[in-house]
This record gives sequence, C-alpha cells and structure tokens, in this order.
Amino acid sequence: EVQLVQSGAEVKKSGESLKISCKGSGYSFTRYWIGWVRQMPGKGPEWMGIIYPDDSDSRNSPAFQGQVAISADKSISTAYLQWSSLKASDTAMYYCARAVSTGGSFYFDFWGQGTLVTVSS
Amino acid sequence: DIQMTQSPSTLSASVGDRVTITCRASQSVRNWLAWYQQKPGKPPKLLIYKASTLESGVPSRFNGSGSGTEFTLTISSLQPDDFATYFCQQYNSYCTFGQGTKLEIK
Repeated sequence: EVQLVQSGAEVKKSGESLKISCKGSGYSFTRYWIGWVRQMPGKGPEWMGIIYPDDSDSRNSPAFQGQVAISADKSISTAYLQWSSLKASDTAMYYCARAVSTGGSFYFDFWGQGTLVTVSS
Repeated sequence: DIQMTQSPSTLSASVGDRVTITCRASQSVRNWLAWYQQKPGKPPKLLIYKASTLESGVPSRFNGSGSGTEFTLTISSLQPDDFATYFCQQYNSYCTFGQGTKLEIK
C-alpha cells in the first residue's frame, strides 16, 4: 500500500526556520517525483515545487521560488520542505504528494495527510 | 501562468441527482486535466486524469470530459459519500488548480 506520512503540526513565530518531512513507503520512492502543495483555508491547492528523490533534481513554482527549499534523502525515503524565515502568511496546510510525470508536468495520485503550519507574528 | 476557473463555486443537490461541474482554462491545456475530491480535514483524492481516465477504484458514476480549455466533471447519480469539494488541475504547463466547487446537500 502506497503511503506518504508527514510530520506533525507546527506552531512557530515569524522569522523562525522550519523543516517538515514526508516519508514514503509501499512503492519505489526513488522512481516517482514528490511534490509539495500549499492549501490555505477555504482555497484551492497551490503547487510549490517538486523533487525527484533519486538524484534530487528539483523544480520550484515561480510563485514560491526563493521562498522555500525542497530536498530529499533517498536513503530514508523522505522528502523535505524547508523555510529559513517564516512569515505569518505561511500559515497553511502543506501536503506532499506522489507525482505522475507526463512530459514535464504532473498530477498527483497519492497524498500525505498534511502538516498544518501556524506562524504567529 | 495558466489560470483555472471552476463553476459554480457552490452546488446544492440531492442524493440521486445528476450534477455537472465545469472547469475552464485560460489557454489550452490539451487533455492534461485532472479532477480531485476533497473532504474536510482530508487531503485531495485523485478521481480522473488525462481529462477522462478514471483512477483505479473510483466509481463509474464519475465521468470526465473535455479538451482544450473547457472540461466537465459529471456525477451521474449522487451518493451520500459524494458531498465534498472538487478541484480541477491542469498539468500541461507546470501545475495549476482551480479554486474548487463545493457540492452540498440540498
């Protein structure tokens, strides 16, 4: 069974750093891209970036370029999303999802349970 | 950026009804379009990809159609489990989601 298990909810202050994780199991972790998606309350999902764990090739959405860093450790089947300096506007639910790649773009067939990040000013 | 616009934003319907949700792209996405269902507190669930291909395990009452800039998701006979929010997503160029359609009980 494919599973993506994310780290728990976080409460942080503006300016702090944060790294959340997503551990895959039940499939070959290195053979699928993993994407990160932000969802703010009552809004549609927003794609942030994607990484191929086998070689850590990654792409960021232009909207999130420079705002977050995406990484992966294939030895432990885990992908990461990291902020160096959080803002209150980063408060949202963050999902990782397994991506099915089609000619450079992708959709998502399995999702993690989500990590709620709350940033206070 | 390709913008995705769904309509309606909210749809009220009853069990057994046939409902249709529309998704329009700001430019052609060919048939690179997926649909997801999301329930409160849960992640999105993939229903359809490549505009009309049903994901494994998804009931056949869900049907996707369209190409280019206009797409529809039809549920042929609503079941109680179908009341949720639905999102479309284009993947012709990067990835963009629609704002969602909330399907609620009338």
